[in-house]
Amino acid sequence: QQQVKQSPQSLIVQKGGIPIINCAYENTAFDYFPWYQQFPGKGPALLIAIRPDVSEKKEGKFTISFNKSAKQFSLHIMDSQPGDSATYFCAADNTNAGKSTFGDGTTLTVKP
Amino acid sequence: NAGVTQTPKFRVLKTGQSMTLLCAQDMNHEYMYWYRQDPGMGLRLIHYSVGEGTTAKGEVPDGYNVSRLKKQNFLLGLESAAPSQTSVYFCASSRAGGYTFGSGTRLTVV
Repeated sequence: QQQVKQSPQSLIVQKGGIPIINCAYENTAFDYFPWYQQFPGKGPALLIAIRPDVSEKKEGKFTISFNKSAKQFSLHIMDSQPGDSATYFCAADNTNAGKSTFGDGTTLTVKP
Repeated sequence: NAGVTQTPKFRVLKTGQSMTLLCAQDMNHEYMYWYRQDPGMGLRLIHYSVGEGTTAKGEVPDGYNVSRLKKQNFLLGLESAAPSQTSVYFCASSRAGGYTFGSGTRLTVV
């Protein structure tokens, strides 16, 4: 039973493009929604996160959009650069239980 | 501030051998986790701990054991390694929402 569905599996954009990665969840107990960035050979690193009482959060070039009624959230990367090429994971946390459910990841390639 | 430190970074085991992976965090986090990452499989939770002295099974616990004797350390043991346990293992810790991951241990079982 996959509680967090992430799409697309892979994404290729040109430099300067705005890749969008989408996630959907089912469990209404989730109360924190982080995104992670992972470069080859490294561990995932927390990139940006949002709580469900907020519809949008922006940190630098990264923006999370959150739709509580649809149980969906997405990551947008403005002015993408080749250095943004990485695997991105969404997650949904039940902070009371101390557990996180991860999406399957999206491999982003930004072409020069 | 080291965050989450995993040792060793690389290891090659023969089938049937045992080993322990060590995870240490210096952020006073209550929660700690062990994941494995395989190509095309995302992150799969092996075991986790919600506090010192507690452990619980994740989605793929078979063949692994864990211990959390001290709050800052979380050990993952393989009693009899199998080729199917060839993977990259990540430890993570959390206080409440959002994980800090270690840099991983790449384990090969031959």
